[in-house]
Amino acid sequence: KAGVTQTPRYLIKTRGQQVTLSCSPISGHRSVSWYQQTPGQGLQFLFEYFSETQRNKGNFPGRFSGRQFSNSRSEMNVSTLELGDSALYLCASSQGQGKSEAFFGQGTRLTVV
Amino acid sequence: EDKVVQSPLSLVVHEGDTVTLNCSYEVTNFRSLLWYKQEKKAPTFLFMLTSSGIEKKSGRLSSILDKKELFSILNITATQTGDSAVYLCAVYSPWRYGGSQGNLIFGKGTKLSVKP
Repeated sequence: KAGVTQTPRYLIKTRGQQVTLSCSPISGHRSVSWYQQTPGQGLQFLFEYFSETQRNKGNFPGRFSGRQFSNSRSEMNVSTLELGDSALYLCASSQGQGKSEAFFGQGTRLTVV
Repeated sequence: EDKVVQSPLSLVVHEGDTVTLNCSYEVTNFRSLLWYKQEKKAPTFLFMLTSSGIEKKSGRLSSILDKKELFSILNITATQTGDSAVYLCAVYSPWRYGGSQGNLIFGKGTKLSVKP
């Protein structure tokens, strides 16, 4: 069974640009959650999607947005990048529906210069 | 707001030592508690605990949950340098909608360094 796939693995962008990150969950998983991880901040919750619907959204500015497609793949977009957006972005997939085991992708390392 | 608190935040031990990592929580609608190990990139799943007092064990790692006192511990015996990582505790609270926290609420992690 393939794991959670995130693309790209590494990304360098300049301030003001926008970026789109992709996450393909484990087959059969319908829930995808996104997290931002910076040194010393732990995992900061961004969004959670289930069956194409955003169920919860963390305390991030509107520059951060996401969506989920009918095949459960998810994308997140960050517009007008700032230096502080440099981080590891992780997505986790789970079956949802009250089933809790969540598995993470390898993450996308975003560097904003 | 629901919260998960891990202690200590960092720990340095020598190979062969036994360590205990702590995780306490205040979460509505608790369903399960999960432990993850994060080395370089992705956190990898270790254990899921749903019932009090039942120890989960995998090699030198073990974990137990106390739902009355709202905490869990992760024990690592005979530590090795390969155990050096950040250990994350998360509580699963399903059926949340429209909130700023997801269904999986993470602590800040315990950074374990094992010296040879």
